[in-house]
Amino acid sequence: EPEVTQTPSHQVTQMGQEVILRCVPISNHLYFYWYRQILGQKVEFLVSFYNNEISEKSEIFDDQFSVERPDGSNFTLKIRSTKLEDSAMYFCASSERTGGPGDTQYFGPGTRLTVL
Amino acid sequence: DAKTTQPNSMESNEEEPVHLPCNHSTISGTDYIHWYRQLPSQGPEYVIHGLTSNVNNRMASLAIAEDRKSSTLILHRATLRDAAVYYCILRRYQGGSEKLVFGKGTKLTVNP
Repeated sequence: EPEVTQTPSHQVTQMGQEVILRCVPISNHLYFYWYRQILGQKVEFLVSFYNNEISEKSEIFDDQFSVERPDGSNFTLKIRSTKLEDSAMYFCASSERTGGPGDTQYFGPGTRLTVL
Repeated sequence: DAKTTQPNSMESNEEEPVHLPCNHSTISGTDYIHWYRQLPSQGPEYVIHGLTSNVNNRMASLAIAEDRKSSTLILHRATLRDAAVYYCILRRYQGGSEKLVFGKGTKLTVNP
């Protein structure tokens, strides 16, 4: 069964450093998402992406964050200058059809980001 | 987004049915009811969704009240692998790519 993959599984970085989290969505999917989950807290939406542009972003997704689909398969989340509070699990998700309310999102296993 | 209310936690025994309730009294006519779950140390996983009618799939059944103000996710025979946090989420069309808004969910413990 096709699945969303994410690399690395765990990333440790120093505060102020740039990190790039990588995702390979399911191949025929059109909508892509990033969510994050701080330890012990709820899963939070960061950004959605369709047709090579951002569809929606949350308040968390400030100028330090960016997303890109550099080729036909990868979807990346870049954090320009990491802060301690960016430490979290980051989940990539994709959906096939419309991105609408009846659509299903498929999640990857996540990347644990630790900022020291 | 319309609000959902779920119990913080529930317990079940292995091989017994589990009924996970969700109240959504402010649901609108165009809101879909979705259920996702998150196993320990994993990403969320789609379980089932519906609009008005009851739904069945290989994982679970979704029973939707006639007035749609509540729904119940039914796991017919719980296994240890079903221990997870279960999220009931309402989604409506808002002109874009409709994000999932997660609450705290119900933590299901399955006893052997």
